[in-house]
Amino acid sequence: EPEVTQTPSHQVTQMGQEVILRCVPISNHLYFYWYRQILGQKVEFLVSFYNNEISEKSEIFDDQFSVERPDGSNFTLKIRSTKLEDSAMYFCASRARGLAGVETQYFGPGTRLLVL
Amino acid sequence: AQSVTQLGSHVSVSEGALVLLRCNYSSSVPPYLFWYVQYPNQGLQLLLKYTTGATLVKGINGFEAEFKKSETSFHLTKPSAHMSDAAEYFCAARPSNAGGTSYGKLTFGQGTILTVHP
Repeated sequence: EPEVTQTPSHQVTQMGQEVILRCVPISNHLYFYWYRQILGQKVEFLVSFYNNEISEKSEIFDDQFSVERPDGSNFTLKIRSTKLEDSAMYFCASRARGLAGVETQYFGPGTRLLVL
Repeated sequence: AQSVTQLGSHVSVSEGALVLLRCNYSSSVPPYLFWYVQYPNQGLQLLLKYTTGATLVKGINGFEAEFKKSETSFHLTKPSAHMSDAAEYFCAARPSNAGGTSYGKLTFGQGTILTVHP
């Protein structure tokens, strides 16, 4: 069964460093998402991406964050200068074309980011 | 703004007992509703969803949920818990009237960790 994959599973970085989280969505999917979950808190939407551009983003997704789909298969989230409060589990998700509410979003296993 | 609340961050049941995980939403228009499960070291897996039609929806692994508009609820149940049901469960919602302006953003509850005792 096709699945969303994410690498790395864990990343430790120093405050101020850049990190890139990688995701490989399901191959025929067209909508891509990043969510994050700070320990003990809710899963929060960060950004959605469709047709090679950001379609929606949350207040969390400020200028320090960026996304791209560089090669038609990978979908990356970059944090330019990490802060302590960026420590969280980051989930990638994708879904096929269709009515937005009906088509299921498939999630990856997450990348746990720890900023020291 | 839409919000989702899960009552109880931890629920513990005995094997064979009823599982009831509570979810309430706050939205001016009833949203589409989802339950996801996360097993250790795995991604979020869809258990079931309500979009339109029958308000009692059945999902995988014997789970079901009932959409109750009057109570703004979408509680998840399973008649008889198995040890393999131990996991974290997330209720989520997205607007049903989003049309072309929303691309499927989900709003999540805080999650409920289900423990099943032998």
